[in-house]
Amino acid sequence: DVKVTQSSRYLVKRTGEKVFLECVQDMDHENMFWYRQDPGLGLRLIYFSYDVKMKEKGDIPEGYSVSREKKERFSLILESASTNQTSMYLCASRAGGAVNYGYTFGSGTRLTVV
Amino acid sequence: AQSVTQLGSHVSVSEGALVLLRCNYSSSVPPYLFWYVQYPNQGLQLLLKYTSAATLVKGINGFEAEFKKSETSFHLTKPSAHMSDAAEYFCAVSDQTAAGNMLTFGGGTRLMVKP
Repeated sequence: DVKVTQSSRYLVKRTGEKVFLECVQDMDHENMFWYRQDPGLGLRLIYFSYDVKMKEKGDIPEGYSVSREKKERFSLILESASTNQTSMYLCASRAGGAVNYGYTFGSGTRLTVV
Repeated sequence: AQSVTQLGSHVSVSEGALVLLRCNYSSSVPPYLFWYVQYPNQGLQLLLKYTSAATLVKGINGFEAEFKKSETSFHLTKPSAHMSDAAEYFCAVSDQTAAGNMLTFGGGTRLMVKP
């Protein structure tokens, strides 16, 4: 069964810490995505990547960066966590050119910044 | 650019009643359309998708959706709601941009099922 795995389900970090959220997929997908989800705001795209070492900003990239050194792994980095980054973070992947396929999502990481 | 509108951020039905979750899209080209479900504290799971074959699409857990081009709609239905259907539902459309083959998501509809 195909899988997108996010390393942590729940995470609590302190303000100012550098935070890494890891996402690994086993489907050899070219495209990977990071979203955050907040009540009333739906899913908002932070960054996406369509190939190794490639990245594109989404709708809300401020305060975040990403890394994609290997095809299967896409990391989201909060350089200096702030309380307004408390949220549910969702990783997703999709095969390149597979416009008739949806995304496969991970289980999500609920991050609390205190 | 494509967009998706889900009418009603919250829908409440009684157990056994019909479920109808509305989704309208805008697209300049024939779209691919998707419905996802999200249970509390989990990721999104694909319920069903429309990819230009049959306009009535059947998905998991007894859900189905009908693509109506004239109405630019892709509403999700289930004849009889079950308590386990309580979740958030997202409609999405495929956007063939230059990179990433993006999905555009609607704002979501939270379905509540009353006993």
